[in-house]
Amino acid sequence: DGGITQSPKYLFRKEGQNVTLSCEQNLNHDAMYWYRQDPGQGLRLIYYSQIVNDFQKGDIAEGYSVSREKKESFPLTVTSAQKNPTAFYLCASSMWTGGSAKNIQYFGAGTRLSVL
Amino acid sequence: GESVGLHLPTLSVQEGDNSIINCAYSNSASDYFIWYKQESGKGPQFIIDIRSNMDKRQGQRVTVLLNKTVKHLSLQIAATQPGDSAVYFCAEGFNDMRFGAGTRLTVKP
Repeated sequence: DGGITQSPKYLFRKEGQNVTLSCEQNLNHDAMYWYRQDPGQGLRLIYYSQIVNDFQKGDIAEGYSVSREKKESFPLTVTSAQKNPTAFYLCASSMWTGGSAKNIQYFGAGTRLSVL
Repeated sequence: GESVGLHLPTLSVQEGDNSIINCAYSNSASDYFIWYKQESGKGPQFIIDIRSNMDKRQGQRVTVLLNKTVKHLSLQIAATQPGDSAVYFCAEGFNDMRFGAGTRLTVKP
């Protein structure tokens, strides 16, 4: 069953705590992405990675960190520096690595993060 | 900065009617556009995409129209069904894809 798996589905963060959201894909995609979605709004790009051990900041990277040690995995850490972390977090992957005519991103089911 | 926006936050249609969802973009250099459907509590699903060298592209019951002169994109859904009820997003770009705020489509039986 191919796809993108995000875990956990729900996550609660205490004040001053770092939390890590998991994203795994078995689509053999090179590129992976993290987005944040706030109620009634579109998706905003946090980080993306086109290749293992390399990643770039998106529009709202402050307070977040990522790693890409394996092609299949792109975990996102929400650090204590992110003062308003409550949101729906979406991970995506795509075949695109540059020079392609398309960049269809396939999304996971999301993780809903709340602050206690 | 550049933005992608939608004309209406909500759209209500009768089952069986055609739906048109509109989107405006501001980056005249935009080369790639895509529509996603998002059901409540789920991740977005790809519907259809279009490159800037095309004006129209058709899929199964869906058509995307691109007007580069006025920087406008639309998604047409034929014979709208209850299962089409969702939030629809337009997006533009490649690796730094930018999404609009979404239009919530409600289909009345």
